[in-house]
Amino acid sequence: DAKTTQPNSMESNEEEPVHLPCNHSTISGTDYIHWYRQLPSQGPEYVIHGLTSNVNNRMASLAIAEDRKSSTLILHRATLRDAAVYYCILRVGPEKLVFGKGTKLTVNP
Amino acid sequence: DSGVTQTPKHLITATGQRVTLRCSPRSGDLSVYWYQQSLDQGLQFLIQYYNGEERAKGNILERFSAQQFPDLHSELNLSSLELGDSALYFCASSARATSNEAFFGQGTRLTVV
Repeated sequence: DAKTTQPNSMESNEEEPVHLPCNHSTISGTDYIHWYRQLPSQGPEYVIHGLTSNVNNRMASLAIAEDRKSSTLILHRATLRDAAVYYCILRVGPEKLVFGKGTKLTVNP
Repeated sequence: DSGVTQTPKHLITATGQRVTLRCSPRSGDLSVYWYQQSLDQGLQFLIQYYNGEERAKGNILERFSAQQFPDLHSELNLSSLELGDSALYFCASSARATSNEAFFGQGTRLTVV
């Protein structure tokens, strides 16, 4: 299965932007890049996804490198509620999401 | 609230036993996915059903089975339980067969003693 590499943990301060990096050097041309997050004691929550172009939604922005070997999830203003484990995922085929270890984001007040 | 309902929230059972976990997908969603989350393995895809038919299979043990009923709810059956089966089991649903945006339930925490 296609693999992603993320830092184990990151810290941010409240109200500041957060850039969460992800490397996926073995990505194939048809693999979508998905981001999910998992708050403590909850199920994963969809954040954003993209294929080639940068994407924005109400939660975050996704910046995809031109060669697609890396991407960055951008939270524009971190809040305490954004503290979670963030998973960068390549959708393998049309069905399954293959989760890695994720990045644990700590947001300091 | 994702709209995906899983029952029960917690389950404690003994080794060798059999349990059934239930999932009601979001209204209108045809796809249901099952995932297992343990401390050492992270989130592992088990199986997907789409409109009653098995669509994709992941790392699901032969002791585990699932089905999706005509009303689209799904059940995951775990038998001959072992201590290592203790984990959080998540169900997710999506509108179509492809999972661009999947909605996860709160999970069932299974403890095998």
